[in-house]
Amino acid sequence: EAQVTQNPRYLITVTGKKLTVTCSQNMNHEYMSWYRQDPGLGLRQIYYSMNVEVTDKGDVPEGYKVSRKEKRNFPLILESPSPNQTSLYFCASSSRARDSYNEQFFGPGTRLTVL
Amino acid sequence: ELKVEQNPLFLSMQEGKNYTIYCNYSTTSDRLYWYRQDPGKSLESLFVLLSNGAVKQEGRLMASLDTKARLSTLHITAAVHDLSATYFCAVGEGATNKLIFGTGTLLAVQP
Repeated sequence: EAQVTQNPRYLITVTGKKLTVTCSQNMNHEYMSWYRQDPGLGLRQIYYSMNVEVTDKGDVPEGYKVSRKEKRNFPLILESPSPNQTSLYFCASSSRARDSYNEQFFGPGTRLTVL
Repeated sequence: ELKVEQNPLFLSMQEGKNYTIYCNYSTTSDRLYWYRQDPGKSLESLFVLLSNGAVKQEGRLMASLDTKARLSTLHITAAVHDLSATYFCAVGEGATNKLIFGTGTLLAVQP
């Protein structure tokens, strides 16, 4: 089944304790992205990657890091989480092929609470 | 800077009624998407609209795109409770696959 997976799905942590949220897709997509969703703000892009070893900042990158060492994986790293990073996080992927229309497919989400 | 506005933000409607959600965007784009999100769930792709005048329909939902007016609509026909969800429009920006999302419309269909 074609899908985007994220782990963990739920995480409660404390301020300053480094964490990683994993994202993996099995559709051989070039493009991957992380979003955060907050009430009243919709979804905002954190980081994206156009292909392996190519990453760039989105609209709200502060406090986050990413890497793209393999095509299928795009982990989101919070080196020193703070309470304002409490949010619902989504990973998404899409093909860059012309006939894909850049349609993005979303993972199930990770609900993060930072105390 | 591309901005996307949706209205209304909240819509309570009775079963069997029709209504329309509007999505305005501020700068030229060649692709617009509609997504559905159930509470606590992920986003499900509903429609991809690529050209002026594009119209797509799936069941009781119909989406259209007017690129000259920078406006897309999501029309709901004879609403049923199963359509209760949050609906997002998103506009593609440039060549980077980036999506700019509207703030969403929470649709509640009452029996």
